[in-house]
Amino acid sequence: EDKVVQSPLSLVVHEGDTVTLNCSYEVTNFRSLLWYKQEKKAPTFLFMLTSSGIEKKSGRLSSILDKKELFSILNITATQTGDSAIYLCAFNTGNQFYFGTGTSLTVIP
Amino acid sequence: NAGVTQTPKFQVLKTGQSMTLQCAQDMNHEYMSWYRQDPGMGLRLIHYSVGAGITDQGEVPNGYNVSRSTTEDFPLRLLSAAPSQTSVYFCASSRDRAGNEQFFGPGTRLTVL
Repeated sequence: EDKVVQSPLSLVVHEGDTVTLNCSYEVTNFRSLLWYKQEKKAPTFLFMLTSSGIEKKSGRLSSILDKKELFSILNITATQTGDSAIYLCAFNTGNQFYFGTGTSLTVIP
Repeated sequence: NAGVTQTPKFQVLKTGQSMTLQCAQDMNHEYMSWYRQDPGMGLRLIHYSVGAGITDQGEVPNGYNVSRSTTEDFPLRLLSAAPSQTSVYFCASSRDRAGNEQFFGPGTRLTVL
């Protein structure tokens, strides 16, 4: 059965801290991994990863995929209060996307 | 370019009632999908479509029907609402089924009494 596990479930940090969010998976037909940020509304896209070992970066956010060990991490450096959100990872198997339950990040001023 | 639109934003139903949640996209995307999001459960795929006239079931299809008569529209029908269907529903679309970025609609919050 295809499965996605995210950890930690929740995290509280102070502004300026660096955080690492984890996403591990068991998927029979891996096509891509996607990260989303969800504030109090619809998820918004952050990254898509298909190849192992290639880091994607966007400002203070970066992500990398390890297809051998079946996991991905999302790093956020110099966190700001605007980073407070639920971060979701999802795997695509061709026709279907499987989402993890998310990591809830709270950044305290 | 409106992206993905959903109506209504909020809905309250009584057990046994039926209704249709509307979803439309104006990006000429082939792939469209419906998810429900419940606390602690993440997003779960209900149904999806890889093109007009083609639909298939996701993880949690029971109690829901879909159709895709045009590329733009992908309505979700609740046949006989149950309290277990109380949830937030999101429609999403992507260019194709190759695992590319999905664009999400704003969601519909449904309560079944």
